[in-house]
Amino acid sequence: EIVMTQSPATLSVSPGERATLSCRASQSVSSNLAWYQQKPGQAPRLLIYGASTRATGIPARFSGSGSGTEFTLTISSLQSEDFAVYYCQRYNNWPPLTFGGGTKVEIK
Amino acid sequence: EVQLVESGGGLVKPGGSLRLSCAASGFIFSTYSMNWVRQAPGKGLEWVSSISSSSSSYIYYADSVKGRFTISRDNPKNSLYLQMDSLRAEDTAVYYCARAPPRVDYQYMDVWGKGTTVTVSS
Repeated sequence: EIVMTQSPATLSVSPGERATLSCRASQSVSSNLAWYQQKPGQAPRLLIYGASTRATGIPARFSGSGSGTEFTLTISSLQSEDFAVYYCQRYNNWPPLTFGGGTKVEIK
Repeated sequence: EVQLVESGGGLVKPGGSLRLSCAASGFIFSTYSMNWVRQAPGKGLEWVSSISSSSSSYIYYADSVKGRFTISRDNPKNSLYLQMDSLRAEDTAVYYCARAPPRVDYQYMDVWGKGTTVTVSS
């Protein structure tokens, strides 16, 4: 089974700064990777699919990159509403569908 | 407005059963794959089960629930279900209903419900 590992577990960033989140797959998932944002008490929200395609309504400050086993979610200039937990999910050769453990982006 | 609304959660004793429902609106339900994803308290996301748009192409389960949970859908009623039997304490979680594109190889989740809470405890 393919394992998705996210790092760091917690990222402390000041508003206006750039945040770089990593997701690593134990085997290649090609570009079959999605990113989600989850705020406390809320459902996850799709940010990115296909490793780099922004979902409908997602601001341009969110960008995804990578393929194979290494992926990055970049938030170019953190806004107050961006402090949340971010999950990656791979969807190649499923089942199962698997999520990473999450990265919490907190205010520095 | 595209919307998914879960219901049916609650407190149940170990070994008990519960049936979750998810009501869909604002899109053509019968053309989308559907999923259940859960989140234990303070933990990350865990995929539970998936069903194809017509139910006939595929139904899949996570190993952790296989043989105990049954996913189904009623397209004329725009509804998704999860029958949960032989519940265990480790099934305690918020259960989300989530939509995925129709293609089987595009199984990311673009619309989520707010979730329903299941607590398994004596």
